[in-house]
Amino acid sequence: GQNIDQPTEMTATEGAIVQINCTYQTSGFNGLFWYQQHAGEAPTFLSYNVLDGLEEKGRFSSFLSRSKGYSYLLLKELQMKDSASYLCAAPDSWGKLQFGAGTQVVVTP
Amino acid sequence: KAGVTQTPRYLIKTRGQQVTLSCSPISGHRSVSWYQQTPGQGLQFLFEYFSETQRNKGNFPGRFSGRQFSNSRSEMNVSTLELGDSALYLCASSFPSGGPGANVLTFGAGSRLTVL
Repeated sequence: GQNIDQPTEMTATEGAIVQINCTYQTSGFNGLFWYQQHAGEAPTFLSYNVLDGLEEKGRFSSFLSRSKGYSYLLLKELQMKDSASYLCAAPDSWGKLQFGAGTQVVVTP
Repeated sequence: KAGVTQTPRYLIKTRGQQVTLSCSPISGHRSVSWYQQTPGQGLQFLFEYFSETQRNKGNFPGRFSGRQFSNSRSEMNVSTLELGDSALYLCASSFPSGGPGANVLTFGAGSRLTVL
């Protein structure tokens, strides 16, 4: 089965850094995804990690530790437009992409 | 290129009715997945179709069904609607490489269903 946990909400100020943690338990491992979803919009792909370590993409970075079943998404130099829900997701052994409940990030001025 | 298109965007039905939602994937994408999104449950996997065959199915009752056509367009149907079926139904398509890239889903804007 699949169990993906992430915090419900995080608040941070513009220009700050926020780290969204995700822990997962999977029957097989085929990578870890992060998606961003603005209110009323479709989720959009942010990052994919299949090997341990940090993947950096501009202001966003994603980290994976397979031995610990742990990932985080790091958002640097926060902007108001980063206010959104961030979804951690992992494929199960059948290839179905299972999502966590999402972390609502609120960026304040 | 055009993204994933879902129709209708909004609809209101009453209990007991049935509804059909449509999804046109990105050109060249042959895998289509459907998800239900509610505030309480988040994104829940419904089913996935590939080359007109259902490849995966989530834990939803038989009232939820789908199909895929030869042009990769997909429809999902919910019969005997219940109040709890009110949700955003998201369709996503992916490139069927069979490797990790196969799971990079591109979502449509969704169909918001309200059941009264």
